[in-house]
Amino acid sequence: QKEVEQDPGPLSVPEGAIVSLNCTYSNSAFQYFMWYRQYSRKGPELLMYTYSSGNKEDGRFTAQVDKSSKYISLFIRDSQPSDSATYLCATHGSGNTGKLIFGQGTTLQVKP
Amino acid sequence: EPEVTQTPSHQVTQMGQEVILRCVPISNHLYFYWYRQILGQKVEFLVSFYNNEISEKSEIFDDQFSVERPDGSNFTLKIRSTKLEDSAMYFCASSVGVYNEQFFGPGTRLTVL
Repeated sequence: QKEVEQDPGPLSVPEGAIVSLNCTYSNSAFQYFMWYRQYSRKGPELLMYTYSSGNKEDGRFTAQVDKSSKYISLFIRDSQPSDSATYLCATHGSGNTGKLIFGQGTTLQVKP
Repeated sequence: EPEVTQTPSHQVTQMGQEVILRCVPISNHLYFYWYRQILGQKVEFLVSFYNNEISEKSEIFDDQFSVERPDGSNFTLKIRSTKLEDSAMYFCASSVGVYNEQFFGPGTRLTVL
């Protein structure tokens, strides 16, 4: 079983739509969860960083962690064409070394 | 705004040759990482480095790979004898602490012919 699983998409939505991106993970010991955004041929850029369960909101972005079901989500409200990118979920491995384990990434296109 | 830089942006090499990928992490960061991303695949962890030693490495990071922080600013990844399957984007990242945000560089695209 993969440690972090993510539907690669692609996902295409009209401008202004609410976007929901999701990942599942296998190890209940994972505590820290991240969403990165990656534009084509660029390095990942951190969007959201959450610890344990709950919600975190930053502008149009909301990250949600449900540890009971090992499910993490990113919601984008009022999506814009500039949100078109690949979104990567990630978690820290359990070894206290900073290692990040990434999902496959979901490619999002927001059409004007 | 401080950023992680990487050179070169694109490296083409022949199979069996040695390559060195260079990174300059953010100056007050203490933890350094290399990741790679094969085209169309996920970002994969290679190695983490702290206090001048490797703290964790993945199965990918075999004897052909090594890392070094030769001075106070650079962090390098060396591949001794490149293989075709080493062709990928290589990302350097750094962070202040283990559970702090990792800042990624723009990547080096390595092409092995």
